[in-house]
Formats: sequence, C-alpha cells, structure tokens
Amino acid sequence: DSGVTQTPKHLITATGQRVTLRCSPRSGDLSVYWYQQSLDQGLQFLIQYYNGEERAKGNILERFSAQQFPDLHSELNLSSLELGDSALYFCASSVEAGAGEQFFGPGTRLTVL
Amino acid sequence: GENVEQHPSTLSVQEGDSAVIKCTYSDSASNYFPWYKQELGKRPQLIIDIRSNVGEKKDQRIAVTLNKTAKHFSLHITETQPEDSAVYFCAASIAGSARQLTFGSGTQLTVLP
Repeated sequence: DSGVTQTPKHLITATGQRVTLRCSPRSGDLSVYWYQQSLDQGLQFLIQYYNGEERAKGNILERFSAQQFPDLHSELNLSSLELGDSALYFCASSVEAGAGEQFFGPGTRLTVL
Repeated sequence: GENVEQHPSTLSVQEGDSAVIKCTYSDSASNYFPWYKQELGKRPQLIIDIRSNVGEKKDQRIAVTLNKTAKHFSLHITETQPEDSAVYFCAASIAGSARQLTFGSGTQLTVLP
C-alpha cells in the first residue's frame, strides 16, 4: 500500500458523459500527478499540482481538467467522454515539486461505452 | 522535450537467468532515471533509481547502469524468479526541476519456470 488512495476503483459510463476521479496523496506529500494508461500503453503524464497550484501540464486534452484542493486531495474531471478515453487513470504523489520518487495510487479504471 | 525509448518491448527468460532492459534518452540535461515495476492490474512501484553523478547502482538482484555519454541506461535483473514477471518502465527527468518524468513504453518481462 503506497498510501495514495483513489476513488472510484471502477467507473463505467457512456459517451458524452462527464466523470470525476478523486485522489488523496500520501500524508505530507504536496505534489499530485495524474497519468493515463491505455491498454498496452505506457504511462502518459497528464498534469501535476503542487500545493494547490498547477505545476506542469502534459498531454492533457482540453476536455480534461484537474484541481488540487486546500486539503491537498485532487480531482480529475473528464468531460464529453469518448470511447478512446477508456483507460486506467493513475494518481501519484511525491514530497517534492520536481523529479523524485512518485508513489502511485491503485488507479481508476474508466470504461466508456 | 525529452524522449525515452525502451527495448525490448517483450522479454522472456528462464528462471535463474539474467534479464537486461535498455533505455535511451534524448535530453542531455536529464539526470534522474528511475525504474518502475508494474504487476498485472496493479500500480507502478519504484524499484530502483539512479542519478547522473553515479554510473551504477545495485540493490540485491537488481542493478542499473548509466552511460551519460551515450545517453542510455539499463536495468539488470540477475537470478530471475517467476515473481519478477511484470512490466518494467524506465523514465528520465531532471531532478529538482519542473520537468516531469518521461516514461519509456515498457517491457513485458516473463520469467519461465
């Protein structure tokens, strides 16, 4: 157990819908990262927040957005869902703002039908 | 930006043999190189990392080597065991910077009993 929690574990929805994925970082970690892992694909970095502020942005679609709240938990919002958005979404956290060990949560498996 | 290439994409070895996975990176400024292991259906977990001020690092049966001149680094697993079967991801970044981890595409390692 990495100490990072994600909810829900599974999510099944329809095209065009909107969903919210939630992540709670390890106690004391200020950075939260979101990754997308499609079937048989690697880890694609989406976005990072550090202490409530957006720190870095990767290949995140405009239909996706995220935020980090004062209690440091983070939410990833996915809207106008398409079949291709079906993937495993991981949240990770770290103490540092920059590169260093990242602790991954168990992931949320999103299925868009 | 950084580009990380990882080879091979699949690797099968007999139990007890060694396994080597190689990665190359494009940005000579990168100085932090972690390796993550992801078992089927589970979260990625850091197994070893190296910073560019050293050329090799070992942890029991796992070792990582780094050649900064050639911009490549490798993961070596000796005396492989069935529980080593997983997908392994290399990554590169710049420690202390806002540069995010760029992951390789992953190697599916299968250890045959």
